[in-house]
Amino acid sequence: GNSVTQMEGPVTLSEEAFLTINCTYTATGYPSLFWYVQYPGEGLQLLLKATKADDKGSNKGFEATYRKETTSFHLEKGSVQVSDSAVYFCALSDGNDYKLSFGAGTTVTVRA
Amino acid sequence: DTAVSQTPKYLVTQMGNDKSIKCEQNLGHDTMYWYKQDSKKFLKIMFSYNNKELIINETVPNRFSPKSPDKAHLNLHINSLELGDSAVYFCASSQGGLPGSPLHFGNGTRLTVT
Repeated sequence: GNSVTQMEGPVTLSEEAFLTINCTYTATGYPSLFWYVQYPGEGLQLLLKATKADDKGSNKGFEATYRKETTSFHLEKGSVQVSDSAVYFCALSDGNDYKLSFGAGTTVTVRA
Repeated sequence: DTAVSQTPKYLVTQMGNDKSIKCEQNLGHDTMYWYKQDSKKFLKIMFSYNNKELIINETVPNRFSPKSPDKAHLNLHINSLELGDSAVYFCASSQGGLPGSPLHFGNGTRLTVT
């Protein structure tokens, strides 16, 4: 079955630091990959996505590249802000079963 | 305009009671979902409906019963609430079947069973 493994948190950083959250996946076929962000007290919001190998998704300074050879979709941001403090979820969908499989989430706290 | 709205935002109730959570989406999507998020933030899918038909029914106690009166609504009824049902419940929608179609989430209902 499909599964997503992401880096365990919590992660605490200073403002302007570099952020990486690792995500690897197991899937049959050719899944689409997503990063969602959950700010405190809110629902999940789509941050970025990639639908095929070597695609790069980007949004709000965050980037992730779909690497089929390493089955990975690591999230990066070059300079984080306090407002990036949130829980980040990696997810995949193989498009066949209408289901999104989520990783366990990584809590990121950015200090001023 | 709110795309996926669920009510109530908070629900505090006692063990043994029956409660419902309502969800509506105005995105024109054909697929809706219920997810449960536990205290460690882990998300688990519970149900999914596509065009009012149940298509995903994960291992969930039969005290939980979803109902979809139309494509834009998916409600969740919970009978005989237990302490372990305390969690945040998220409704979501998508245009199902399209590769790369993301889910749009509501803001959640925090259920506390005492």
